[in-house]
Parts: sequence; C-alpha cells; structure tokens
Amino acid sequence: EPEVTQTPSHQVTQMGQEVILRCVPISNHLYFYWYRQILGQKVEFLVSFYNNEISEKSEIFDDQFSVERPDGSNFTLKIRSTKLEDSAMYFCASTGQTGPGTEAFFGQGTRLTVV
Amino acid sequence: DAKTTQPNSMESNEEEPVHLPCNHSTISGTDYIHWYRQLPSQGPEYVIHGLTSNVNNRMASLAIAEDRKSSTLILHRATLRDAAVYYCILITNTGNQFYFGTGTSLTVIP
Repeated sequence: EPEVTQTPSHQVTQMGQEVILRCVPISNHLYFYWYRQILGQKVEFLVSFYNNEISEKSEIFDDQFSVERPDGSNFTLKIRSTKLEDSAMYFCASTGQTGPGTEAFFGQGTRLTVV
Repeated sequence: DAKTTQPNSMESNEEEPVHLPCNHSTISGTDYIHWYRQLPSQGPEYVIHGLTSNVNNRMASLAIAEDRKSSTLILHRATLRDAAVYYCILITNTGNQFYFGTGTSLTVIP
C-alpha cells in the first residue's frame, strides 16, 4: 500500500536554530499539506501546496515557516528560527486530487522538540 | 471551519460493534463527511467518507441521517487495534484542508 514517508521521526533542536522536516508524498499525488499537533491538542492545518505554490495557509503559518518541493519527490517544511512553542508533531499529507471527496494520506509524523 | 460535535470518549468490548456518533447540524449541501482515526503516536488515517448515502468499506460503515445533520461510524467488530481517537470532519468544496476537532477516544476492552 502506498504511504507518505517522513524523516526524521524525531528532531531535537536548540531554540533559534533552523530546522527542515522532510516528507516524501505518494508518488502520483499532486497536493501536499503540513499539519501540526502540539502534545495533547488538536491536529491543526498549517499549509497546502500545489503546482509549486502555496494554495492556502493558516494563521499559524507565519514568516518563520516555508515550504518547498526541491525535487520531484520531496516536500519540505522549514522553520527558520525555532521557538519553544514550535515543539509538536508535524504531519505531512498528500492527496491525488483536490476536492471534498478525496482521501488524504498522512505520514507517521516528525516529533520536533525545541530546547 | 465547519463544526462537528462528538463525544469525548467511548468504550466498547472487543468483538462487539461500535457506533460512534457525530453531529453536524450546520452542514451545507455540498459538504462531505469524512472520518479519520489516529492511533497512539501515529498520523491520522483515513477510515471512510460519504456525502448523502450510507457507505461501506473494509474498515467500517458510515450511516448518514436523512437530513445529513448527523452521522454514525460503525465498526462492526471492535478489535484492540481499533483503540484510537476517531475524528468526524466536514470537508467543504472550497478547499480540502481538514479541520480536526477533539474527536472521540475509543477504548476497546478485552
């Protein structure tokens, strides 16, 4: 069964450092997403990406965040200067098409710990 | 974001059916009803979705009320591996980002 792969599974970083979270979406999918889940809280939408552009972003996705599809397979989330409150699970997702009847595939997540 | 209401938690005995309810009284005519679940320490996983008619797949069944203001996810025989948080999510036709609520935490008792 196809799956979304995220690396690393756990990242520890010092406050103020840059971090890049990586995702390999399902190979024929065109729409990509990042979500985050702070411990004990809801899963929150960050950003969606299609055709090398951001389609939508939430108010959480401020200037310290950026996304990129550097090649044909990877989709990355960069946090420029991490803060303690960025500690969370970050989930990548992909869909084959857009629209409300589409199933999303999520990765297993990267646990980011900012110290 | 479209609003859904679910019980915080439910329990079920192993190998018995489980009915997980969801209220979505403000649903619009084009909103799809999706169910995802999140096992401990894992990412959300698709379970099922529907628009108006009841739906069945290998994981579960989705029963949608005639007025679409509520739906029920049915696990026909709960196993210990079904212990998870189950999210009922409305997806609008203006975008397909998901707005997760707090979901229902299902405990399966052996």
